[in-house]
Amino acid sequence: DTEVTQTPKHLVMGMTNKKSLKCEQHMGHRAMYWYKQKAKKPPELMFVYSYEKLSINESVPSRFSPECPNSSLLNLHLHALQPEDSALYLCASSPTDPRIQYFGAGTRLSVL
Amino acid sequence: RKEVEQDPGPFNVPEGATVAFNCTYSNSASQSFFWYRQDCRKEPKLLMSVYSSGNEDGRFTAQLNRASQYISLLIRDSKLSDSATYLCVVLGMTGGFKTIFGAGTRLFVKA
Repeated sequence: DTEVTQTPKHLVMGMTNKKSLKCEQHMGHRAMYWYKQKAKKPPELMFVYSYEKLSINESVPSRFSPECPNSSLLNLHLHALQPEDSALYLCASSPTDPRIQYFGAGTRLSVL
Repeated sequence: RKEVEQDPGPFNVPEGATVAFNCTYSNSASQSFFWYRQDCRKEPKLLMSVYSSGNEDGRFTAQLNRASQYISLLIRDSKLSDSATYLCVVLGMTGGFKTIFGAGTRLFVKA
């Protein structure tokens, strides 16, 4: 079983809604990641947090807003999404050296 | 050119077969290499890291050729449970550590 926990597992939202995805790990990892994965495509990196600071933003639209309240938690705030944002959103974490990442089971998001 | 390229397959093989996947990467400064496995509607899971000296884990053998910038994965004695998508992953250092996934190679092992 994955040691990275993501909630909710499924989310349906309208284009005017505000929602948040949550990710939690208790492995003491200091790097955390958000990925977006469309069907039959590989995961695409969105954000990287290192020691609770945003270190990489892959030119993600501002309707996605990440937050890292502490070393164990990572949130992704969603606002005014588009139907094309429907995808599987994966969270991952790694030790300080990001050589191996552990993935959560993901949140399957549908935007109507 | 994509940063990490894989043959998407699918590879359809019988049980017991040996199958090999290749992956090429474009950035010669890439530092670390991995194979992940992803089952349908599941998250990616690390299969093995890839080292220049080559490494083996049971039926799985991974090789890295830095000069030619390619990575390979060999699966011997394929099992039905090996059916999955195999993702080649490259870790580079451009503006921070960045993990780049290949598009994945789909494998179907049939009885």
